[in-house]
Amino acid sequence: AQKVTQAQTEISVVEKEDVTLDCVYETRDTTYYLFWYKQPPSGELVFLIRRNSFDEQNEISGRYSWNFQKSTSSFNFTITASQVVDSAVYFCALVSGSARQLTFGSGTQLTVLP
Amino acid sequence: KAGVTQTPRYLIKTRGQQVTLSCSPISGHRSVSWYQQTPGQGLQFLFEYFSETQRNKGNFPGRFSGRQFSNSRSEMNVSTLELGDSALYLCASSLPGGVFHEQYFGPGTRLTVT
Repeated sequence: AQKVTQAQTEISVVEKEDVTLDCVYETRDTTYYLFWYKQPPSGELVFLIRRNSFDEQNEISGRYSWNFQKSTSSFNFTITASQVVDSAVYFCALVSGSARQLTFGSGTQLTVLP
Repeated sequence: KAGVTQTPRYLIKTRGQQVTLSCSPISGHRSVSWYQQTPGQGLQFLFEYFSETQRNKGNFPGRFSGRQFSNSRSEMNVSTLELGDSALYLCASSLPGGVFHEQYFGPGTRLTVT
């Protein structure tokens, strides 16, 4: 079985603050993939990043960065200098080799206030 | 390149009726997955199709079915609708690796069952 936990239901920050969204996953497989998706108010999920279980390198893309730690089964997402346009629901997701289905966390609603 | 399109965007049905939703993937994408999103259960995997074959199915009753055509377009059908089937149904297309790769989501079909 696989499971993704996003303990933060809602986060509210003021523009230009940094914010970290937590993601903890569970799987018995050694081969798996982790994802982050963004769902703006329009409803369409937008892919942000994919990481496989063999690559623990952290990644930075502009104001976005991801911290993957297998030791704590976490794949956290940080937005630096947040902007109002970052307001959305963010989902962490997992697919393992044996399950072959994407399991999403419950999502974190991020609100960035001007 | 055109994105994933879903039709219709909104649908209102009565309990006991059946419904068919359509999804056209990004050109060249042969893998199509379907998801149900509800406030209570979140995002849940329904099924994945590749080259007209169902590769995997989520934990949904047999009332939920799907198919994929030779042009990769996909449809999902829900028979004997229940109130609990009210949800946003999302379709996603991807490279042949399917759920192991980044998925491109459509805008969804909002189904309301009364």
